[in-house]
Amino acid sequence: AQSVTQLGSHVSVSEGALVLLRCNYSSSVPPYLFWYVQYPNQGLQLLLKYTTGATLVKGINGFEAEFKKSETSFHLTKPSAHMSDAAEYFCAVPNQAGTALIFGKGTTLSVSS
Amino acid sequence: DTAVSQTPKYLVTQMGNDKSIKCEQNLGHDTMYWYKQDSKKFLKIMFSYNNKELIINETVPNRFSPKSPDKAHLNLHINSLELGDSAVYFCASSQAPTGQETQYFGPGTRLLVL
Repeated sequence: AQSVTQLGSHVSVSEGALVLLRCNYSSSVPPYLFWYVQYPNQGLQLLLKYTTGATLVKGINGFEAEFKKSETSFHLTKPSAHMSDAAEYFCAVPNQAGTALIFGKGTTLSVSS
Repeated sequence: DTAVSQTPKYLVTQMGNDKSIKCEQNLGHDTMYWYKQDSKKFLKIMFSYNNKELIINETVPNRFSPKSPDKAHLNLHINSLELGDSAVYFCASSQAPTGQETQYFGPGTRLLVL
């Protein structure tokens, strides 16, 4: 069965510090993987996705993620955090039929000045 | 132009009432979804429609009934509202019901049942 696990429900960093949000997946088929961001009181917005090809995926707002099949991971990183990055981040994988997304429990990113 | 819109944005109602949430997308997508986000921010699929046909109906109480009058609209009607229905409901759409498609989300409808 498809699933994602996000390690760490809350991550706090200082402005300018590296951001690392962890996601591990379980999939019975070659996975597609997604990171979405949810700003307070808003809907979800796609940050980046991995389908096939290059394992290092670049997204919006300076975020990137690397698909590592051997580690079943798709961790999200950003070299230098900005205050505006404070939000909820969700890793997701399609269900087995590919007809809906299965989300992780989310990681709240806090950025302090 | 808003890609996926939902109305209303906020909904406060009493237990036992019936309410509807409307969703519209102007992206020309074939597939639309309803997700529920609980108080712990956990997101779960409720329903999915492709070309107005239901393709996913998760274990949701039958008090919840989706309706898709056309490909651009997917509404959610809830009968006999209960306290546990309080949540944020998100509509989303994608080009097709395949795993690699990006889903575009609406702003959410915050439902509070008193």
